[in-house]
Amino acid sequence: EAAVTQSPRNKVTVTGGNVTLSCRQTNSHNYMYWYRQDTGHGLRLIHYSYGAGNLQIGDVPDGYKATRTTQEDFFLLLELASPSQTSLYFCASSDAGVDTEVFFGKGTRLTVV
Amino acid sequence: GDSVTQTEGLVTLTEGLPVMLNCTYQTIYSNPFLFWYVQHLNESPRLLLKSFTDNKRTEHQGFHATLHKSSSSFHLQKSSAQLSDSALYYCALNNAGAKLTFGGGTRLTVRP
Repeated sequence: EAAVTQSPRNKVTVTGGNVTLSCRQTNSHNYMYWYRQDTGHGLRLIHYSYGAGNLQIGDVPDGYKATRTTQEDFFLLLELASPSQTSLYFCASSDAGVDTEVFFGKGTRLTVV
Repeated sequence: GDSVTQTEGLVTLTEGLPVMLNCTYQTIYSNPFLFWYVQHLNESPRLLLKSFTDNKRTEHQGFHATLHKSSSSFHLQKSSAQLSDSALYYCALNNAGAKLTFGGGTRLTVRP
């Protein structure tokens, strides 16, 4: 089964702080994604990438940057964290193709106080 | 843009009763793929099943769903709910690329 590893698993930061969430996948998938999960909103796509150096904007990108440094590594950056960004963040990966399965990491719970 | 609607946010059932979770979608593309993902408590979402061709039933782990393009629906069903089915269920859509659009989710609680 595909392996997607996120770090840290939990993070608390202050309003205005900088946060970097890390994700590594070891299954040679082309696509990687960052989602946030909030009650009442489900899973919402922040950014995604189809290869090293590529970045695509998702549905809720405001306040987030992302960078794909290698095939395996995808980072989510919050440069001026706000309480509205308190959420559970999932990284995911998949092969290309409309019928392909997406594999999720275990999530990072971020709290902005 | 694409959208997926799951009308029930919370569904509570008694064990042994049938399950039906609704999913409808909107897309301009003629050949979308629909998926159901399940997320148990303190776990990450994982694929439960995915659509095939129009009007063809797909099954996995006792659940089944049929893509109906005529009504833009992909409802999830199971004949008899089990306690272990309690989870958050997401319907999702993919059309022209690898970007999944998720619905808002339905939390299913099965009681003894």
